[in-house]
This record gives sequence, C-alpha cells and structure tokens, in this order.
Amino acid sequence: GAGVSQSPRYKVAKRGQDVALRCDPISGHVSLFWYQQALGQGPEFLTYFQNEAQLDKSGLPSDRFFAERPEGSVSTLKIQRTQQEDSAVYLCASIASANTGELFFGEGSRLTVL
Amino acid sequence: SQQGEEDPQALSIQEGENATMNCSYKTSINNLQWYRQNSGRGLVHLILIRSNEREKHSGRLRVTLDTSKKSSSLLITASRAADTASYFCATDANQGGKLIFGQGTELSVKP
Repeated sequence: GAGVSQSPRYKVAKRGQDVALRCDPISGHVSLFWYQQALGQGPEFLTYFQNEAQLDKSGLPSDRFFAERPEGSVSTLKIQRTQQEDSAVYLCASIASANTGELFFGEGSRLTVL
Repeated sequence: SQQGEEDPQALSIQEGENATMNCSYKTSINNLQWYRQNSGRGLVHLILIRSNEREKHSGRLRVTLDTSKKSSSLLITASRAADTASYFCATDANQGGKLIFGQGTELSVKP
C-alpha cells in the first residue's frame, strides 16, 4: 500500500481481555517499529523487527506484551490480560533501510481499557 | 524512558511570527530528526540532520544541531494556522534505526 496501515483504529477492551493490534508496513520496508504514546507524551519505544527477526524488545513494559512479524511483513502486537495503564495509542512505523533514516508512521491504534 | 527534553512544552503565537522549539538529548547520536503530529494522527517526518551537520533548511524550516551541547533547535518561519500541531525531536543512536523521542512541543498558531 501507499502508507503504513494500522487496525483497528480504535479498540475498547474490558480489563483482563486480550487484544491484538495489526500493522501493515510499506511494501519492501525492512524494519518495523512499535511505539506506545500516552496522552500528551512523546512516543515510547516498545520493540522493533528487521525483516522477521525481533532485534530489540527492551521497551515492552511486561510479559503481557508480545509482538511478532512471522513473514517479515505484517506485524501484530498482542497485549494479554489488559490493564487500565495499557490505555494509549500504539503507533507502528516502518523504515526502508536496515540502519537509519526517516520513519513512516501509521495513524495509530487507540486502545482504551475500561 | 525519553532521550531528552523539549522546551517550551507549549507555545502560542500569531500567524506570521516565527516559532522556535528546542531539544536536548543525552547520548551520542548518528542523526537527529524532527516530526510533526496533528491531533489524533500519526507522526510525519519533517527533517533529518546528521551528527556532522550544524544547520539544515527545508522550506520554512531551519534546524540547527550542536553536538557539543547535545541540543537542537527547530525554527518555523512565517508561521501559519496550519502549522498548529505537536512537534517532536527524535534521536538515532545507531541502533538499527530505532528513534528515541522527546516529550514534544505543542504549537498553537492563531490566525
């Protein structure tokens, strides 16, 4: 596609539910990043992939968070047993090269945990 | 955790005025980038400045980088109401393209 696509755009979950957020990066982009953005804050790094390999998951807040990119294209961020503090916008971004450059962001998935 | 700080946190100006935002960071970097975010939207890349560059221009944007002070500034000249958005600096510390973002400056340009 022309840009990074994320779904769903909005998700409301009851505390304790599992959620899955999808990211479809720009075709051919090697690296894919997930960020979490709380209201009024800057994006916080969660994890990133180079092709299908998850090279850094140091930002994942707990073992309830899991990300995968099995075929090196679409990625899914899964949050198990959601808590209220998980409420945030989850942003996905991709980059053309494996090393550096401009990140292309999706519109984000806004998660609200009640 | 965030890499650094931006100031001011919020800035309100009149159309036609210039807007200056500052960013400080903590570690050595490969490059520094500025992004813009409209309310409820994703981030859009504005400009990238490499660690060996001191100044860069793009249209009405001017970015400076002082690696000795670990700081950068973004100047938007002749601002327009459409420039109203949040602006974030982000540093690339040569970790596979991973960027660390600041807290952002919320710019409001009044017509």
